[in-house]
Amino acid sequence: AQSVTQLGSHVSVSEGALVLLRCNYSSSVPPYLFWYVQYPNQGLQLLLKYTTGATLVKGINGFEAEFKKSETSFHLTKPSAHMSDAAEYFCAVISSGGSYIPTFGRGTSLIVHP
Amino acid sequence: DSGVTQTPKHLITATGQRVTLRCSPRSGDLSVYWYQQSLDQGLQFLIQYYNGEERAKGNILERFSAQQFPDLHSELNLSSLELGDSALYFCASSGNRSSSTDTQYFGPGTRLTVL
Repeated sequence: AQSVTQLGSHVSVSEGALVLLRCNYSSSVPPYLFWYVQYPNQGLQLLLKYTTGATLVKGINGFEAEFKKSETSFHLTKPSAHMSDAAEYFCAVISSGGSYIPTFGRGTSLIVHP
Repeated sequence: DSGVTQTPKHLITATGQRVTLRCSPRSGDLSVYWYQQSLDQGLQFLIQYYNGEERAKGNILERFSAQQFPDLHSELNLSSLELGDSALYFCASSGNRSSSTDTQYFGPGTRLTVL
């Protein structure tokens, strides 16, 4: 079984501040981990993913995430928030070795204040 | 623009009815995925097709069915609709491998309202 917990349904930051969106997962086998962004009235767009190898993953738009197995976490960060980052962010997990069945977190809405 | 198209954009229907949602994947993509996004359930994976064959099945109700045609477009059929089926339905596609880690490209979604 696999599950994802995103801490905080809303995160508010000022423009230029650090963005930190938290994701914790559970998986009985090594996971594949994903972060997606959803802008209003649009579908999801992949920001980054971890499959194997380097645990610090860089994605689009200046985002990165670090896979920490000991903490079962995959938090998303960006050093400096921009107004255009305001969106809904979803963390997802797929258990490796099986068929494709992803589990998504409930999402975190990022609010960026000028 | 992801290259994935979905029709219609909006659909309003009544309980007990049947609807068909259509998805055209990106050119060359063999995998199609269907998702349901609702306030109650969040984002749920429904089903995946790869080159016409069902590959994975998630939380898809028996009242729902899908297929992928030889031209690779896909349809999601929802029948005996209930109020709780009101949601945003997304289609996504991915490349010519059937790997779990392929990047998926999402369409803009079909918003279904059941009255």
